[in-house]
Amino acid sequence: DAKTTQPTSMDCAEGRAANLPCNHSTISGNEYVYWYRQIHSQGPQYIIHGLKNNETNEMASLIITEDRKSSTLILPHATLRDTAVYYCIVLRGYGKLIFGQGTELSVKP
Amino acid sequence: GAGVSQTPSNKVTEKGKYVELRCDPISGHTALYWYRQSLGQGPEFLIYFQGTGAADDSGLPNDRFFAVRPEGSVSTLKIQRTERGDSAVYLCASSLDGRGSGNTIYFGEGSWLTVV
Repeated sequence: DAKTTQPTSMDCAEGRAANLPCNHSTISGNEYVYWYRQIHSQGPQYIIHGLKNNETNEMASLIITEDRKSSTLILPHATLRDTAVYYCIVLRGYGKLIFGQGTELSVKP
Repeated sequence: GAGVSQTPSNKVTEKGKYVELRCDPISGHTALYWYRQSLGQGPEFLIYFQGTGAADDSGLPNDRFFAVRPEGSVSTLKIQRTERGDSAVYLCASSLDGRGSGNTIYFGEGSWLTVV
């Protein structure tokens, strides 16, 4: 499975959009992009996933570039409860997710 | 249940003892996964079940670790002769089907194991 690169940390003001980037330049055509987050002492929480098209759900939007080499997770109105480590993972087939270091997002008042 | 359920939520055991950790996946999910997360690290894959069979156990660290899923629903992770290095959070996840791609994979809250 392709590796991903994410910034180590990011800050965001409460109420503003949080845009978390992810590079996956070696992604292959049948690999999906998944996003999870983990709040301290809790299990990973599924956010969203996509293959080629942009996706939106009640939590976030996922924007995948046309060449699929990068993507952005957008939390439209960040709250303090969105402070967490966010993981971008590419996956083909069954759920053998390879977690990297992720991005530590701090939402500040 | 509504989500992936794991018991116990916390377990303290003495070095050398045997431990069982239980996972109850989301109803109807045929794929079940075990992960382990050490302090400050991301989760690491241990084993994947499709139905009753272990389709991929490549992440089990050694033969002290074993997992079963006899009826294709509840799974038990078994650790023999526990060592202090086994201290970690053991996470269970499930998805509707492991075959194919694009399935949503849901995690439980984990079982915190401390070996003293």
